[in-house]
Amino acid sequence: EAGVAQSPRYKIIEKRQSVAFWCNPISGHATLYWYQQILGQGPKLLIQFQNNGVVDDSQLPKDRFSAERLKGVDSTLKIQPAKLEDSAVYLCASSYSGLGSTDTQYFGPGTRLTVL
Amino acid sequence: GQQVMQIPQYQHVQEGEDFTTYCNSSTTLSNIQWYKQRPGGHPVFLIQLVKSGEVKKQKRLTFQFGEAKKNSSLHITATQTTDVGTYFCVPSSGSARQLTFGSGTQLTVLP
Repeated sequence: EAGVAQSPRYKIIEKRQSVAFWCNPISGHATLYWYQQILGQGPKLLIQFQNNGVVDDSQLPKDRFSAERLKGVDSTLKIQPAKLEDSAVYLCASSYSGLGSTDTQYFGPGTRLTVL
Repeated sequence: GQQVMQIPQYQHVQEGEDFTTYCNSSTTLSNIQWYKQRPGGHPVFLIQLVKSGEVKKQKRLTFQFGEAKKNSSLHITATQTTDVGTYFCVPSSGSARQLTFGSGTQLTVLP
């Protein structure tokens, strides 16, 4: 079974530029999550999708971050414009249903973003 | 999401020593999951505890869920260098959709 795929693996941009990350979840997984992990901290949930609908985006900085999962499969996360404090690893995870609290999340390798 | 206190934040042990990390919640949890993240890697699911007083073992790792379902622990017997990483306990209440990661416990094993 293929795991969660993410691209790119690394990205370096200057502040005020835009960047987009892509995630392809495990086949058949209805729920997709985007996390931001700053060095030395645990992952922080940015947005959770159930199929193509948003379940929770309460911690997404909506003035600069956006995410979509148009066909309920793969997803993109965009930052426009980037700030220095956005430097982090962006993790994508998926789970089978996400409807209950017992769902296991499978993480992708992450995209390491450096904003200069 | 549900919040817990995980201690210690950092732990250095000599290879072969035991290691324990603890998670404590002020409220009753529905279940708790444990994840491990190697340096430079991504979180990997280890186990889920659901029942009061539950104890589960995976080789040298022993996971416990407290009787009141407010605390949990992970104990590693005779640590190896492959155990290096950050261990996260991730709690969930019955109604919470998302899992909330804390800062975890960062384990360093000295050879």
